[in-house]
Amino acid sequence: NAGVTQTPKFRVLKTGQSMTLLCAQDMNHEYMYWYRQDPGMGLRLIHYSVGEGTTAKGEVPDGYNVSRLKKQNFLLGLESAAPSQTSVYFCASSYGADSGNTIYFGEGSWLTVV
Amino acid sequence: AQSVTQLGSHVSVSEGALVLLRCNYSSSVPPYLFWYVQYPNQGLQLLLKYTSAATLVKGINGFEAEFKKSETSFHLTKPSAHMSDAAEYFCAVSRPYNTDKLIFGTGTRLQVFP
Repeated sequence: NAGVTQTPKFRVLKTGQSMTLLCAQDMNHEYMYWYRQDPGMGLRLIHYSVGEGTTAKGEVPDGYNVSRLKKQNFLLGLESAAPSQTSVYFCASSYGADSGNTIYFGEGSWLTVV
Repeated sequence: AQSVTQLGSHVSVSEGALVLLRCNYSSSVPPYLFWYVQYPNQGLQLLLKYTSAATLVKGINGFEAEFKKSETSFHLTKPSAHMSDAAEYFCAVSRPYNTDKLIFGTGTRLQVFP
């Protein structure tokens, strides 16, 4: 029962460095999402994808890029990390557009930018 | 635009006492409403959801929530708190066919004292 798997779980970056967070789901879900969680702000949507080969901007997309080359994978990239990107990142997935479909979350990736 | 407001960032109860976590929503269309729970160092897990069927929704772990349109509320309750209920709880709102527009509240941390 893997569900949604995120790697790495922890990472420390220097300002200006780049990195990629990998998300994999084994539930054959069409929709995938990247959120960031910051204290007192809940979860905010960064980017999402409604199917293989598609991506779209969420609420806070600046400074991030994403790719969905395979249905089961959704990558989040930081080209030039900034301290403001220190956060916990969650990947999630769901079957489709109907909000009645449950969104399943990964366990999070803790990123610190120094 | 849609939004949710969670009243109280921290709630403390004694074991066996009633749990009441408050959520008020704002939506220009009939909303779908959700409660998620996050245990320490884990992702979010769906507790329950309202998708325009019964207004009293029962979820996992003995939690339930009632959709009250007149009060624009979707409060989460549990008759008797257990130590294992200590976690952070998030209310969320979306349009029925816009999973990508799931809007989270800022969260309420529940502490349970013996």
